[in-house]
Amino acid sequence: GESVGLHLPTLSVQEGDNSIINCAYSNSASDYFIWYKQESGKGPQFIIDIRSNMDKRQGQRVTVLLNKTVKHLSLQIAATQPGDSAVYFCAEVIQGAQKLVFGQGTRLTINP
Amino acid sequence: ETGVTQSPTHLIKTRGQQVTLRCSSQSGHNTVSWYQQALGQGPQFIFQYYREEENGRGNFPPRFSGLQFPNYSSELNVNALELDDSALYLCASSRGQGGLGNEKLFFGSGTQLSVL
Repeated sequence: GESVGLHLPTLSVQEGDNSIINCAYSNSASDYFIWYKQESGKGPQFIIDIRSNMDKRQGQRVTVLLNKTVKHLSLQIAATQPGDSAVYFCAEVIQGAQKLVFGQGTRLTINP
Repeated sequence: ETGVTQSPTHLIKTRGQQVTLRCSSQSGHNTVSWYQQALGQGPQFIFQYYREEENGRGNFPPRFSGLQFPNYSSELNVNALELDDSALYLCASSRGQGGLGNEKLFFGSGTQLSVL
């Protein structure tokens, strides 16, 4: 079956706090990882990606960490805002493959 | 907005019918992929089209078929609809051929298909 999974299905944080969304993968041949944000009624929106030769990558208010030893990926969102409320998916790409393998997703809720 | 457009946005069909979903890729993108997203699940890869040919397929039966046109737009056809085909169907476009990792994938908003 598909190998990418998430530890928690839901996560609630206070506005302004930092949030961390985790993801586990099982395929050692995966060499590219992406985080997507999906709002209600919309398709997945690219947030940030990371290649397997890196262990950290930063974007605007987001950081992705990759631990290949334990096959773990995380997305950190700093100073969360109401607009960050969405379902977040991690996805992996096996080297040379044409497809993304998605996890089940984590619903992030920002409390005022 | 990604520039990937899908039509229709919603569709209701009955079991056994056939359906065609359409996708226009983002300008400059020549590769189109289709994904099925069941409620509460992550998207599942159906297939990818490049240069009007299927270029990779997921674990979906032959009644799921597709086309890509010279302008890079694409269609997803599903025959003999089953209740379990009810899902959000997502189209995504990218540039280039072959494996992802060199080019990002941009998704449309999807077609919500309900099979009764």
